[in-house]
Amino acid sequence: AQTVTQSQPEMSVQEAETVTLSCTYDTSENNYYLFWYKQPPSRQMILVIRQEAYKQQNATENRFSVNFQKAAKSFSLKISDSQLGDTAMYFCAFFNTNAGKSTFGDGTTLTVKP
Amino acid sequence: EAGVTQFPSHSVIEKGQTVTLRCDPISGHDNLYWYRRVMGKEIKFLLHFVKESKQDESGMPNNRFLAERTGGTYSTLKVQPAELEDSGVYFCASSRQLQETQYFGPGTRLLVL
Repeated sequence: AQTVTQSQPEMSVQEAETVTLSCTYDTSENNYYLFWYKQPPSRQMILVIRQEAYKQQNATENRFSVNFQKAAKSFSLKISDSQLGDTAMYFCAFFNTNAGKSTFGDGTTLTVKP
Repeated sequence: EAGVTQFPSHSVIEKGQTVTLRCDPISGHDNLYWYRRVMGKEIKFLLHFVKESKQDESGMPNNRFLAERTGGTYSTLKVQPAELEDSGVYFCASSRQLQETQYFGPGTRLLVL
């Protein structure tokens, strides 16, 4: 069974600054995907970024990037130039490509302050 | 392309009553998943449909929960009878193929009093 741990229940950052959300996971699988989802107060869960485990290059999407350390089973999310609209709960998720289901962390509530 | 939709957005019922949640996946997505987040804890997998067939229902908590996907389009999740511990947010997700990204709906917030 897989487990996903987000050790930071809450974080805050000043607008325009950079913040890193941590995520670690445990698995015996070799092929999997990792995701960061964001859930703003409006409730819609939005895909932020995706990383395939077989890719060594860290995924990036505009201001969002990950630091994927496969050996350490670590998958942190960096948000650069934080904006007020980034305020949300962020979930790290492990996707088992064989089973086709996701395992989530407890979430990190991020507040961007003006 | 329309996203995953869920209905209702909120439901408040009394213990012992029945509630039915609906999920409409993205058109053409054969894979449909139900997850739930209870008491502010982590989001947990409930079950997975491939078209109209239940591929994996290992996460269903007990026989008070019944999921269907007749015709392989939308899905319903019925809770009967509802208990207090069923309160939480129920998410639906869909994907075109098994190994593709799951796209989530906005969730249904269920409160059992």
